[in-house]
Amino acid sequence: EVQLVESGGVVVQPGGSLRLSCSASGFTFDDYAMHWVRQAPGKGLEWVSLISWDGGSTYYADSVKGRFTISRDNSRNSLYLQMNSLRAEDTALYYCAKDPSRHHYGSGTYYKNWGQGTLVTVSS
Amino acid sequence: SYEVTQPPSVSVSPGQTASISCSGDKLGNKYVYWYQQKPGQSPVLVIYEDNKRPSGIPERFSGSNSGNTATLTISGTQAMDEADYYCQAWDSSTYVVFGGGTKLTVL
Repeated sequence: EVQLVESGGVVVQPGGSLRLSCSASGFTFDDYAMHWVRQAPGKGLEWVSLISWDGGSTYYADSVKGRFTISRDNSRNSLYLQMNSLRAEDTALYYCAKDPSRHHYGSGTYYKNWGQGTLVTVSS
Repeated sequence: SYEVTQPPSVSVSPGQTASISCSGDKLGNKYVYWYQQKPGQSPVLVIYEDNKRPSGIPERFSGSNSGNTATLTISGTQAMDEADYYCQAWDSSTYVVFGGGTKLTVL
């Protein structure tokens, strides 16, 4: 059974930094691209970032480009999101999610497996 | 950047058919996915690749996609179907795109 467990969410001041982690199990982690998706309180889903199965390619939403960095450690079955220069509008529940196809992402990207999310609050 | 648009809310009577639209430029050329999210829960995939149901999703959920509009249809809507619904697609320049979500109310 696929399990995704996010952690690292806390209250942080504007301009601060934070690193989120996602621990994955139940599948061969280094075969799959991984994503971060967020949801601000009372708002809709927003895709944040994608990393290929080998970490060689990364993609970002315009709203976080230049501030956030996605990475992975395949030896630890872990996904990370380094968040810098945080803003109030980054306040959200952050989910990690698995791409459904081995060694692929793109038109067939969707999310069958979600974690429970970790809450990031940016406030002074 | 590519965008998809959903109505903020849809209402339906129990037992009737609910239709939730998702619109975007040439959306019919892309695969569309639908998620259901109930309060306090993570999203659940209910339709993938326009019209396929994952295992465990009731047959009353169906999808279609043509032209500029994709539609999620819930036949014989039940009170348990009351939730937020999101469409999602992939665009080569914007990558993963979600609609703004539709709140389905079963009156």
